[in-house]
Formats: sequence, structure tokens, C-alpha cells
Amino acid sequence: NAGVTQTPKFRVLKTGQSMTLLCAQDMNHEYMYWYRQDPGMGLRLIHYSVGEGTTAKGEVPDGYNVSRLKKQNFLLGLESAAPSQTSVYFCASSYSNSHQPQHFGDGTRLSIL
Amino acid sequence: KNEVEQSPQNLTAQEGEFITINCSYSVGISALHWLQQHPGGGIVSLFMLSSGKKKHGRLIATINIQEKHSSLHITASHPRDSAVYICAVSGGGADGLTFGKGTHLIIQP
Repeated sequence: NAGVTQTPKFRVLKTGQSMTLLCAQDMNHEYMYWYRQDPGMGLRLIHYSVGEGTTAKGEVPDGYNVSRLKKQNFLLGLESAAPSQTSVYFCASSYSNSHQPQHFGDGTRLSIL
Repeated sequence: KNEVEQSPQNLTAQEGEFITINCSYSVGISALHWLQQHPGGGIVSLFMLSSGKKKHGRLIATINIQEKHSSLHITASHPRDSAVYICAVSGGGADGLTFGKGTHLIIQP
């Protein structure tokens, strides 16, 4: 029973490098979300998707891109990493809109040097 | 934008005590979520409610829509309840949740 799986779990990057975080869910959920969690702040929404082929911006989208080519996968990309993007990233999914419980992955701890 | 405030920020209690964590929000919502984040980092959904009260084991969540306030209670607290408890609200649309900063709970044996 995998649920929501995030890869990688940890990563260290140098400023300017690029990378992609992968989120995969096996619950046939339509909605998927990327959040970031920073010390002293609540989780904040980066981007979200309401279905295959669709994406939308959240509260803090700058510096990130996303893609939802397959229903089960939601990718978060950093084109040119900056130290301000050092954070813990969580992916979540839900059956429909945010009036449904969200299922979270275990998080990706990303450090940008 | 909804503002979600939780209190207290930190709470240390003895095993067996009754615990209350509060959450208030500024704008009407369609649902309120209580989440638990353990030291390992994973986040688990505990409750989602839009009115009244829900109970699961030793956990009880209540919400007062008119007062824009919710409480999470833990009865007969246990050290394994030590975690960060997060309140989040949704407006019913697709654009995710708005989160409080969390309450760091420590239950001492």
C-alpha cells in the first residue's frame, strides 16, 4: 500500500543547478499538490494540478515549474536552484477538491548551497 | 487570503493529561483539517470536518463555524502523541489548503 511516494528523500544542490522532484500516487486521485515547509512557517502551496495535463500556480510558484503528463505522477522542477529554495517539499494528493482529505508523501529535504 | 492561527505554539504535558489545541481562521471555509506530523517528518491527516464534532480513538475535533474556531482534544495523552499538530483550512476550490504554523506537543512519561 504505497500511497504517495516522493523521490528523492534528500538532495544537496549547488546554486544554479537544476533538478526534478518526483511524486507518484497509486490511489487514482485527480488532484495533486506541491507544498514547501520552512521553519517558523506553515506549509505553503507551490503548484497544484486538478487532473492529467493541467497545472496551476499556488501561493509561492516563482522559481518552480511542474508537469502532470500522467495522472499518477506530478513533477516539480527547479531550473536554477537558489539558496532560498532550501526547504522540505511535500507532495499531496486527494480524490477531488480540497474538501477531501489529502494524503501526503514523506517529504524531500532539499539543501541548496 | 485566509489567516490561520494556532495556539499554543508549544505545549509540554504529563502523560495522562487532557490536551487542547486551538485553531482560528479569518475567512469562511468549506472544511477544516487537522494533521499530525511526527519527528520523522511524515504528515498524516487526522480529521476533516465542516461542522460539529468528530471522534477517533482518544482524539476529538470540534468546529464552530460561526466563531471561526476549531479545537483538537487528546484524552489520556501518551508519549506517542508527541508530534506537531497542524490545522489547515480549505475554501472548497481546487487550490489546496492554507495551513497554520503548527503546535509542537511533547508528552512526558
